[in-house]
Amino acid sequence: GAGVSQSPSNKVTEKGKDVELRCDPISGHTALYWYRQSLGQGLEFLIYFQGNSAPDKSGLPSDRFSAERTGGSVSTLTIQRTQQEDSAVYLCASSPLLAGYTDTQYFGPGTRLTVL
Amino acid sequence: KQEVTQIPAALSVPEGENLVLNCSFTDSAIYNLQWFRQDPGKGLTSLLLIQSSQREQTSGRLNASLDKSSGRSTLYIAASQPGDSATYLCAVRPGSGNTGKLIFGQGTTLQVKP
Repeated sequence: GAGVSQSPSNKVTEKGKDVELRCDPISGHTALYWYRQSLGQGLEFLIYFQGNSAPDKSGLPSDRFSAERTGGSVSTLTIQRTQQEDSAVYLCASSPLLAGYTDTQYFGPGTRLTVL
Repeated sequence: KQEVTQIPAALSVPEGENLVLNCSFTDSAIYNLQWFRQDPGKGLTSLLLIQSSQREQTSGRLNASLDKSSGRSTLYIAASQPGDSATYLCAVRPGSGNTGKLIFGQGTTLQVKP
């Protein structure tokens, strides 16, 4: 079956511009996560959606970052007024349930963002 | 604050060797621990997930152990092959709070030479 997909695969933008990154989770998965992977920082949690519950935004680095999940499926991560330090690979993951043995997270291929 | 550390950062072995990757975490209050593999330019692939109540999990040539009280996990790879070359990431899911977020180590980059 189809895995987690992300678009675009690569995005180059100029400092100060806004960008939107898209994630399509595995069908039926109720939980969706965004992570960021940058050199020297490793893989960092950004935000987590679970069903209709309020999202866990504790990992968002600044108020320039926001994310939404429409209809419990597709998610968009928006970065406003991009800065060079936002350059990273943004990874999305989904999982079927919060609790239990089946909460393995399945990752997409990522979007490589370069801010010039 | 939970911190995850992986040692070594890089490892190079000849084909056929058995090897162990190490992961340590500072807070033993975890829900589960996962080992992932990442190939260059690709996303992460889950290898093994160990619940906090479990001691180990096995899949093929891979065996992961968990000692929650000492804050340690190991990933054992038997009879290594060049196709095992990748970065291996350890991640813990905190046991507190209603969140599924993972906290990752920096990874161990493995090279298996033919």
